[in-house]
Amino acid sequence: SQQGEEDPQALSIQEGENATMNCSYKTSINNLQWYRQNSGRGLVHLILIRSNEREKHSGRLRVTLDTSKKSSSLLITASRAADTASYFCATASNTNAGKSTFGDGTTLTVKP
Amino acid sequence: ETGVTQTPRHLVMGMTNKKSLKCEQHLGHNAMYWYKQSAKKPLELMFVYNFKEQTENNSVPSRFSPECPNSSHLFLHLHTLQPEDSALYLCASSQGLAGAGANVLTFGAGSRLTVL
Repeated sequence: SQQGEEDPQALSIQEGENATMNCSYKTSINNLQWYRQNSGRGLVHLILIRSNEREKHSGRLRVTLDTSKKSSSLLITASRAADTASYFCATASNTNAGKSTFGDGTTLTVKP
Repeated sequence: ETGVTQTPRHLVMGMTNKKSLKCEQHLGHNAMYWYKQSAKKPLELMFVYNFKEQTENNSVPSRFSPECPNSSHLFLHLHTLQPEDSALYLCASSQGLAGAGANVLTFGAGSRLTVL
């Protein structure tokens, strides 16, 4: 199966609520990245967390990484309708540089 | 505007046509990529170029032919495609190869291809 698998596949919440998405991967990584994609558009990089980091924040985003469980989570706090998008994690390693592997993504819908 | 520009944004072609997708980046990046995104499938890496040299061909059929004349431009030449090739084709670039160090991918908006 794919390196970098997100769950849930779809998430629907009300504006103001928090949204949590998870990502699991299979092999050793150098870093893990989260991207966002609005419908029919390109992906936009949100945040990168290195393998030696456990938590990272950027505005309303909080990312955690547990290398022992090979998993990561993305938390979006105080969600807004504009956060509606698909979110992907991508894993990368020095030995496979250039071959970032993406999962299927989580489709987030934030209802106003 | 991400700094990675793809043209055309939409393309409809017949199976016997020859067309090309173009990608241009003005970010000073050294690596460029083609990804394919089909409905209900993960992003598929197609080709990687680093300093104009192809470093990855992910078992892509020969009806897709990439060209990288310099570090700022990347083309995907299309010939005798099949309907199942209809997808969003995304170009990306990065300073160094993504995965090495803290290099991240900057994507273009994509070219939506429909093969009739």
